[in-house]
Amino acid sequence: EPEVTQTPSHQVTQMGQEVILRCVPISNHLYFYWYRQILGQKVEFLVSFYNNEISEKSEIFDDQFSVERPDGSNFTLKIRSTKLEDSAMYFCASSESDGWGYTFGSGTRLTVV
Amino acid sequence: KQEVTQIPAALSVPEGENLVLNCSFTDSAIYNLQWFRQDPGKGLTSLLLIQSSQREQTSGRLNASLDKSSGRSTLYIAASQPGDSATYLCAVSGLSNFGNEKLTFGTGTRLTIIP
Repeated sequence: EPEVTQTPSHQVTQMGQEVILRCVPISNHLYFYWYRQILGQKVEFLVSFYNNEISEKSEIFDDQFSVERPDGSNFTLKIRSTKLEDSAMYFCASSESDGWGYTFGSGTRLTVV
Repeated sequence: KQEVTQIPAALSVPEGENLVLNCSFTDSAIYNLQWFRQDPGKGLTSLLLIQSSQREQTSGRLNASLDKSSGRSTLYIAASQPGDSATYLCAVSGLSNFGNEKLTFGTGTRLTIIP
């Protein structure tokens, strides 16, 4: 069964450093997403991406964050100048089209120290 | 703004029992509803997807129902097993103001099956 692949599974970074979280969505999917889950809290939407551009972003997704699909297969989330409160599990997801449901990756646990 | 609530927050039942997890949502204008399973520290595994035009979906021992007009869904697990122990998340999909689909999650029900 096709999978969404995320790397790394766990990343530890110093406060103020930049991190890039990587995702390989399912190949025939057209819609891509990043969600995050702070420990003990709800999974929350960050950003959606379609047709090589951001289609929507949440209030969390400020100038510190950016997304990119650099080569037609990878989908990345960059976090600049990380803060302690960025520590969370970050999930990538993709879907074939609206209303067909999501497939999530296994997540990247980001720990900012 | 869509709000999703799951009751109970935690549930412990003996192995072999049937059980029901509940999910409610405030805005009935949804595309679909998905139930996910999350093991501690792990990712989200999709269990069942119910389209807005459907009333229920079944997969093995799992059955999910959807009553869109009342904003409710239930996940029924038959003959529970210790391997069913996990957190179960309900998520509804709807069109945002920007025209794309996004998921709104509930806080989950942490299920423990006692051997």
